Amino acid sequence: ETGVTQSPTHLIKTRGQQVTLRCSSQSGHNTVSWYQQALGQGPQFIFQYYREEENGRGNFPPRFSGLQFPNYSSELNVNALELDDSALYLCASSDISRGQDYGYTFGSGTRLTVV
Amino acid sequence: QKEVEQNSGPLSVPEGAIASLNCTYSDRGSQSFFWYRQYSGKSPELIMSIYSNGDKEDGRFTAQLNKASQYVSLLIRDSQPSDSATYLCAVNDYKLSFGAGTTVTVRA
Repeated sequence: ETGVTQSPTHLIKTRGQQVTLRCSSQSGHNTVSWYQQALGQGPQFIFQYYREEENGRGNFPPRFSGLQFPNYSSELNVNALELDDSALYLCASSDISRGQDYGYTFGSGTRLTVV
Repeated sequence: QKEVEQNSGPLSVPEGAIASLNCTYSDRGSQSFFWYRQYSGKSPELIMSIYSNGDKEDGRFTAQLNKASQYVSLLIRDSQPSDSATYLCAVNDYKLSFGAGTTVTVRA
C-alpha cells in the first residue's frame, strides 16, 4: 500500500508569482484535503476534495484553488503569492465513505518560501 | 474562541516519567478526535484516535475523552527520548481542526 506523496519537497518563489503543489493520495483513499502549517502553529484547513468536487473550504482567499483528478491525486494552486504564504503545505488523504472516524494520512509536505 | 486549544508548552519530562497533554474543543457536537505526533520538519503522524467517552490505551499511549467537558487528553507513559516531538490534537468534523500543538522534550 503506497502512502501519500507530495511534490516538490521544497520551493522558493517570488512575491506575486503562482505556484502549483501536487499530491498523490494513498491507495484506496478517495478524499484529499490540504492544510497550511505556519511555523509554530497547527495545520490550518484549506479545502477538501471528494469525487473531483470541492466539498469543504477553510478561511482562505480565492487565490487558493485546487483540483482533484479521477485517480484521486490533487493539486493546490496559489496565485499572487504573498510573503505570509510561506509555510509547510500538507496534503492528507482519507476514505470518507468509511465515516469521520477514519483517520487521515499525511504526506511529507511541501515547504514553500516566498521571498 | 479557537476551535481547538491545547495546553501551552513546552513540556519537559524526565525519561521514564508520564507526559500529560490536554486539549479542549468548542463544538459540543464533535464526535471524532485524533492525536498526531509531529517531529521537527516532518509531517504529522497519527498515533491515537478516540470516539467514545473514557480511556483508550495503545501501548504506552492512553487517550481520554470527556464529551460533557469537551476535553480530550493524551498520556505518554514511560516517556522515551524518541517521544520528543510536537503533539497535535485534532477534531474531525469531515475536516481536521488542529490545536497549535504542545512540544514535549524528554530529558535523558
